[in-house]
Amino acid sequence: ILNVEQSPQSLHVQEGDSTNFTCSFPSSNFYALHWYRWETAKSPEALFVMTLNGDEKKKGRISATLNTKEGYSYLYIKGSQPEDSATYLCAFFWGGSQGNLIFGKGTKLSVKP
Amino acid sequence: EPEVTQTPSHQVTQMGQEVILHCVPISNHLYFYWYRQILGQKVEFLVSFYNNEISEKSEIFDDQFSVERPDGSNFTLKIRSTKLEDSAMYFCASSEDSLGQGYTFGSGTRLTVV
Repeated sequence: ILNVEQSPQSLHVQEGDSTNFTCSFPSSNFYALHWYRWETAKSPEALFVMTLNGDEKKKGRISATLNTKEGYSYLYIKGSQPEDSATYLCAFFWGGSQGNLIFGKGTKLSVKP
Repeated sequence: EPEVTQTPSHQVTQMGQEVILHCVPISNHLYFYWYRQILGQKVEFLVSFYNNEISEKSEIFDDQFSVERPDGSNFTLKIRSTKLEDSAMYFCASSEDSLGQGYTFGSGTRLTVV
């Protein structure tokens, strides 16, 4: 059974704090790892699609790293702002699929002003 | 920016009734998906669709579920006889290819079965 785990489940930080969370996924038959930002009542918004071991990607204050050999990815947010409050989902895309993603449960981030 | 559009945003139905959830994928995308999220649980894959047929489905996608692409733009999910446990947020997604290029989600339909 393919399983994707995210930790922590929720996180409360103050504005200006930097934070990070983890996604663990199966290391075999890896094709890609997706990170999404999801606000309630909106579409999950694609942040990163990561495919290569050692990949580091950055979008503004948000960055992510990937280790496919040990099966984890970190998402970092530098200087959190209240508008960063959302659920951050990671999803594993494996080589045997027909395009379907296996999602983690998400990390719910709340940033207090 | 191209969007995946889902309608309705909310649907309330009585147990045993049939529902059809509607999606308009991005026009040049070839792969279409349905996912669902029961409150408090993970987003779960239901089905993928390519070239007018199902390419993969999960064990959740039993005989009560069906998908259709009735014309060149719509992609529908039908639940024949809804159960209370079908209450969930249903997401449609589309991608350019089976490798996940351009993977885009709609904003979801919240289905409540009463």
